[in-house]
Amino acid sequence: DVVMTQSPLSLPVTLGQPASLSCRSSQSLVHSDGNTYLSWFQQRPGQSPRRLIYKVSNRESGVPDRFSGSGSGTDFTLKIARVEAEDVGVYYCMQATHWPWTFGQGTKVEI
Amino acid sequence: EVQLVESGGGLVQPGGSLRLSCVASGFPFSNSWMSWVRQAPGKGLEWVANIKPDGSEKSYVDSVKGRFTISRDNAKSSLYLQMNSLRAEDTAVYYCGRDTRGLDYWGQGTLVTVSS
Repeated sequence: DVVMTQSPLSLPVTLGQPASLSCRSSQSLVHSDGNTYLSWFQQRPGQSPRRLIYKVSNRESGVPDRFSGSGSGTDFTLKIARVEAEDVGVYYCMQATHWPWTFGQGTKVEI
Repeated sequence: EVQLVESGGGLVQPGGSLRLSCVASGFPFSNSWMSWVRQAPGKGLEWVANIKPDGSEKSYVDSVKGRFTISRDNAKSSLYLQMNSLRAEDTAVYYCGRDTRGLDYWGQGTLVTVSS
């Protein structure tokens, strides 16, 4: 199985400041169809997860543009341009290129 | 508005069985891959299983193979997870979701507790 490794596991942030979350995979996430199926999810306390980013850098509808995704191959990043209070929660990366789909262990973002 | 509503969770003894259901609305269910994802208390997310729109292909994480069965009824816009031979480590909130190589829609989850 593809192992997804996120860092840091805990990220203290300051309101209005940027934040950067890392995700690395144990093998390339480039699919034979040319796409890279790497998603980012946000899980606020007590809520279901919500997908923010799909295929590395595509924002879901309604996701604020302060969230951006980048990367390629095995190395990916989620950036929050200016952290807001509502961004507190756990962020997971997930790969859906290789069976079975696998998640990272999560990065907890806290003020 | 997209809605996914899971039900069927509860307390079950080790070795027991449970059937989870998920009713979908607001999107073309019969054309959608669907998945179950679980989250143990205080832990991260684990993808469990998924199923092709017509039900002809199913995939499972190794830890549930041979014990869990995913199925669907497109006429009822419903997804199911039959869980047999349950173990303490299956204790988790189980979410259903539309699988577009990553879940874009999620339900609120249903809690399964395996304990004597």
